[in-house]
Amino acid sequence: QQQVKQSPQSLIVQKGGISIINCAYENTAFDYFPWYQQFPGKGPALLIAIRPDVSEKKEGRFTISFNKSAKQFSLHIMDSQPGDSATYFCAASITPYNFNKFYFGSGTKLNVKP
Amino acid sequence: NAGVTQTPKFQVLKTGQSMTLQCAQDMNHEYMSWYRQDPGMGLRLIHYSVGAGITDQGEVPNGYNVSRSTTEDFPLRLLSAAPSQTSVYFCASSYRRTGAYNEQFFGPGTRLTVL
Repeated sequence: QQQVKQSPQSLIVQKGGISIINCAYENTAFDYFPWYQQFPGKGPALLIAIRPDVSEKKEGRFTISFNKSAKQFSLHIMDSQPGDSATYFCAASITPYNFNKFYFGSGTKLNVKP
Repeated sequence: NAGVTQTPKFQVLKTGQSMTLQCAQDMNHEYMSWYRQDPGMGLRLIHYSVGAGITDQGEVPNGYNVSRSTTEDFPLRLLSAAPSQTSVYFCASSYRRTGAYNEQFFGPGTRLTVL
């Protein structure tokens, strides 16, 4: 049973368009929500992260929107570029005393068409 | 800094064979972990370590052993490989900051096929 559910599985967007990837969780103890970007043949790399005390975080063209009551969060990529084509994973973690275990979504493969 | 390195990049095993996946980091990170990545499953935590000599199980530990004798190295051992262990394996490391959130740095992965 996956603790974090991610959709869609794949996404095709035209260059300049907006890419939106959604994630949902059940465990209300989660309090840190990162997004990772993975290019083919590479390991995931942290893209942007949010804590539930804010509803939105923006870094350049990437924005996380967070809805605590709905237990959902999403990644928006504005002005999508072919270089954004990658697999994106959402994740969730509980405030660690000792070690922060991350629970990952199943991933979304984004293809931005030129 | 080389960051997190993993060897080998690719490996093919026969059922029942054993092998060790190597992971090393040169960032002096206390935390290290192993994940497996399967299609439609995301990344799942196998084992993790909070420091030399200290390891613990993650979500999917069965069939895998780990040890951590140094801060830099965290090998993952498959004692008797099974086809269900066909996957891409990622090692990750991060600093230890009590009560804070630490960015995990991932290695490039090892693609393992068990026939």
